[in-house]
Amino acid sequence: QKEVEQNSGPLSVPEGAIASLNCTYSDRGSQSFFWYRQYSGKSPELIMFIYSNGDKEDGRFTAQLNKASQYVSLLIRDSQPSDSATYLCAVRGAGKSTFGDGTTLTVKP
Amino acid sequence: EAQVTQNPRYLITVTGKKLTVTCSQNMNHEYMSWYRQDPGLGLRQIYYSMNVEVTDKGDVPEGYKVSRKEKRNFPLILESPSPNQTSLYFCASRGTSGYNEQFFGPGTRLTVL
Repeated sequence: QKEVEQNSGPLSVPEGAIASLNCTYSDRGSQSFFWYRQYSGKSPELIMFIYSNGDKEDGRFTAQLNKASQYVSLLIRDSQPSDSATYLCAVRGAGKSTFGDGTTLTVKP
Repeated sequence: EAQVTQNPRYLITVTGKKLTVTCSQNMNHEYMSWYRQDPGLGLRQIYYSMNVEVTDKGDVPEGYKVSRKEKRNFPLILESPSPNQTSLYFCASRGTSGYNEQFFGPGTRLTVL
């Protein structure tokens, strides 16, 4: 079992819809959770981070964390074509960060 | 401007020819890390360093070496590159207190023939 698993893609949504990206992790000692967006051939850039159980909202993005279920998700509301990218879930423990394989999102105009 | 720089950005080399990819950050970050990215496999951590002279293996350290003699620099060394090390490499850095976003360099695309 992989340490960090993301829902397999690719994911395609129409412009204006909600995109839902999911991630599960195996290490119960994980302390912090991150979502990165990566455009093809570019560096990952941080979208959201979350430490505590519950929801965290930032503009059109909402991260949700459930430590009991070892589950973290990212919702993108009012999806735009510019949101088309690969989204990486990252889980940080003691010193080490582990990334999922990524989910590629396409937002169709 | 706060940044992580990597050099070279692109490199084509041959099997067995030693090479070094440099990484430098200007944010006084304690933590630095190297990742490789292959199609469909996300980012896999090669080595990381919590501070000067402190390094540790990540998930895929075989065939790589690192050193951390200065806080700002964290070079990645391939003593005898092989074709399976053809990949896109990212260096990253962050602070170690509180939340601390990880900043990534622009990437180095390495091809080993």
